Amino acid sequence: ETGVTQTPRHLVMGMTNKKSLKCEQHLGHNAMYWYKQSAKKPLELMFVYNFKEQTENNSVPSRFSPECPNSSHLFLHLHTLQPEDSALYLCASSRTGAGLGTGELFFGEGSRLTVL
Amino acid sequence: GESVGLHLPTLSVQEGDNSIINCAYSNSASDYFIWYKQESGKGPQFIIDIRSNMDKRQGQRVTVLLNKTVKHLSLQIAATQPGDSAVYFCAETKAGNQFYFGTGTSLTVIP
Repeated sequence: ETGVTQTPRHLVMGMTNKKSLKCEQHLGHNAMYWYKQSAKKPLELMFVYNFKEQTENNSVPSRFSPECPNSSHLFLHLHTLQPEDSALYLCASSRTGAGLGTGELFFGEGSRLTVL
Repeated sequence: GESVGLHLPTLSVQEGDNSIINCAYSNSASDYFIWYKQESGKGPQFIIDIRSNMDKRQGQRVTVLLNKTVKHLSLQIAATQPGDSAVYFCAETKAGNQFYFGTGTSLTVIP
């Protein structure tokens, strides 16, 4: 139990569907992250929120839309995805994003997404 | 961009032996490094970290060595156990910037 909970753990969707991934952290952290993990590739940072404000958007396609209503919750809204978007999507949190790299990332178990 | 690589994608060791997993990084300005362990079906878990002002740090059964001269990081696991079977990632960052992760080394412990 890392204190970061992701739902759903598995999601299968068609290219025309709209779905959302949810992340909740119970650690009192102020920064939350979305990472994409594909086979045989390094973890790719997608979005960073620090005190609910988006501070990083690593050229992610607009079919991925993040939402951070408060410091404990993070969503990733998905629509018109492509099969190559199939991957494990990991949420993480840290004490602060203002000093990224000054503390470890705590990861959730991930949401395994399959796009048909 | 950053380049964080691992020398070997897979490593097999006998139970009870010591394991050494290596990682090379490219940014000499990186000042903080972490090793993560990812078991099948789970997210990465923190193992141990080290800052650039140190060259060695020990935890329980794990030791991280940092050689800034050659930009090399290693993770040593003592008396490897079957529960140590997982993918191990190194990550680097310079304070104020994002983490960069390696592709991972898959460790298999042979009973």
